[in-house]
Amino acid sequence: KNQVEQSPQSLIILEGKNCTLQCNYTVSPFSNLRWYKQDTGRGPVSLTIMTFSENTKSNGRYTATLDADTKQSSLHITASQLSDSASYICVVSAVDNNNDMRFGAGTRLTVKP
Amino acid sequence: GAGVSQSPSNKVTEKGKDVELRCDPISGHTALYWYRQRLGQGLEFLIYFQGNSAPDKSGLPSDRFSAERTGESVSTLTIQRTQQEDSAVYLCASRRTGESNQPQHFGDGTRLSIL
Repeated sequence: KNQVEQSPQSLIILEGKNCTLQCNYTVSPFSNLRWYKQDTGRGPVSLTIMTFSENTKSNGRYTATLDADTKQSSLHITASQLSDSASYICVVSAVDNNNDMRFGAGTRLTVKP
Repeated sequence: GAGVSQSPSNKVTEKGKDVELRCDPISGHTALYWYRQRLGQGLEFLIYFQGNSAPDKSGLPSDRFSAERTGESVSTLTIQRTQQEDSAVYLCASRRTGESNQPQHFGDGTRLSIL
């Protein structure tokens, strides 16, 4: 069973609307959680990183939240644009193991005009 | 360039042939990773290089897969006797250090198609 579960698997929204993507994890001990954006045919690009003590972090129209107690994170996209169409991948790292990164399967977001 | 470079960007080959994929990491990055991404699926870890340490090969799916890295520079991923299930995008990532608080920088991948 994957230790990082993302939902929904896919999402279609209209341009200008907001949306929220979810990431639940069971990775322990927790070090950090990172959200990546992967455009079609490209490699993933880091959007934001959340550590244990952080509850929310923004990067432009992207806002990530973290609840370390419930082991949940969300990525909120405000005023969506066509260029937001991509896959969004949640990656959780364990403490003291530089290669113990668990990847979610991603959420495929499509923004329509 | 400043980013991770992978070549070729696309590779089509016949079943049973060997293929070699190349990754040029960002200069100075000590950590290098290879991943496989099948169509519509998440990233599968293959192998991890960190400096001069022995690589972590725990993700390699079979002995047909191997990878090398010269010092802290170029890496090659080799797949021998390719099978149709090897068709996927192979992504390489580098990181400035091995520490997980550093972001991974990904190349755009090699799309491998086995006929």
